[in-house]
Amino acid sequence: AQTVTQSQPEMSVQEAETVTLSCTYDTSESNYYLFWYKQPPSRQMILVIRQEAYKQQNATENRFSVNFQKAAKSFSLKISDSQLGDTAMYFCAFGTWDQGGKLIFGQGTELSVKP
Amino acid sequence: GAGVSQSPSNKVTEKGKDVELRCDPISGHTALYWYRQRLGQGLEFLIYFQGNSAPDKSGLPSDRFSAERTGESVSTLTIQRTQQEDSAVYLCASTLQTSGVHEQYFGPGTRLTVT
Repeated sequence: AQTVTQSQPEMSVQEAETVTLSCTYDTSESNYYLFWYKQPPSRQMILVIRQEAYKQQNATENRFSVNFQKAAKSFSLKISDSQLGDTAMYFCAFGTWDQGGKLIFGQGTELSVKP
Repeated sequence: GAGVSQSPSNKVTEKGKDVELRCDPISGHTALYWYRQRLGQGLEFLIYFQGNSAPDKSGLPSDRFSAERTGESVSTLTIQRTQQEDSAVYLCASTLQTSGVHEQYFGPGTRLTVT
């Protein structure tokens, strides 16, 4: 069975600085997809970034980038120039096409951006 | 366009009562997912619908849980004889499922409290 582990329950960062959130996963699949979702206090889940496992290039979306290490089964999220609006729970998630795209989530990391 | 909507936003019920939660997916989205999020936890997959195919019910925690979806429209999640451990936020997501695993668009959730 696939599992996703986020080992940092809470993190904090000063505004404008850079922070990295960790995620590891376990699977025997070779083709899969990885995601980072953000959940602010409003409870609305928002996609931050998506990575296809067969692509070696790390995904980037503006201030957000990932470090995808397939052999190590690691998928960390780097947030550059942190903003107060980045304060939220961040969830790492894993999915495969042959399982219908259902996502397996980690336990989350609560990120606080301090002014 | 309109996003995924869920109703009610909050539901308080007495132990032993039945509850019905509703999800309206984004129009045209063929795939619909239900997840459960207990307080301070990640999301747990419950059930998945894809078009007219048989649903994937592998995440339903007990036979007290059931869900229906008619075609590519509204879905309802029913919990019979509610227990206190059913207290959680129930999130619905939809996506236009083609090859690969794509972004799931989440609703705001229904917070269920069983007293």
